[in-house]
Amino acid sequence: AQTVTQSQPEMSVQEAETVTLSCTYDTSESDYYLFWYKQPPSRQMILVIRQEAYKQQNATENRFSVNFQKAAKSFSLKISDSQLGDAAMYFCAYKENDMRFGAGTRLTVKP
Amino acid sequence: DGGITQSPKYLFRKEGQNVTLSCEQNLNHDAMYWYRQDPGQGLRLIYYSQIVNDFQKGDIAEGYSVSREKKESFPLTVTSAQKNPTAFYLCASSITAGRNEQYFGPGTRLTVT
Repeated sequence: AQTVTQSQPEMSVQEAETVTLSCTYDTSESDYYLFWYKQPPSRQMILVIRQEAYKQQNATENRFSVNFQKAAKSFSLKISDSQLGDAAMYFCAYKENDMRFGAGTRLTVKP
Repeated sequence: DGGITQSPKYLFRKEGQNVTLSCEQNLNHDAMYWYRQDPGQGLRLIYYSQIVNDFQKGDIAEGYSVSREKKESFPLTVTSAQKNPTAFYLCASSITAGRNEQYFGPGTRLTVT
């Protein structure tokens, strides 16, 4: 079964600074999707960004971008110009048929 | 507004009682999912349904049951056989069961005492 590993249980960043959250996954497949979800204190899961494995170009969504290294099975999330509202749990997820989630990284943003 | 609704937000039950959690979507999505989230952990898949009248067990289906009689609805029943039912439950849907992103409801916090 595919596994998703987030090695950073907690991260902290100063407001307006940049932070990178790490994610690695294990799969033998070549065609799959990867996602980052944000879960604020409300516990609503919000899609942040998605990456198709067949695309070499890294996905970007405003201040959020990914560094997708397919050979290394790595999928990190970079948050630029961090804002107080970015504070949340961030989950990396892999999807081929069903979705597999990492354990999450709690991001704190310091004013 | 299109979206996924889960009700209620908080649910309390006595041990030994079955309880059903509601999940409704008006996104016209074929696939629907139920996840369980425990403190400090990611989401674990309980059941999923790719199409009406069809569903499959996820990783932790024991003690749970589902039905999918309508495209819009995918209720989850937590039975008395579930040994540790207190958790946060999230419902999600996607256009199809393929490599699409999933959209989530607001969740239901179930407490069993």
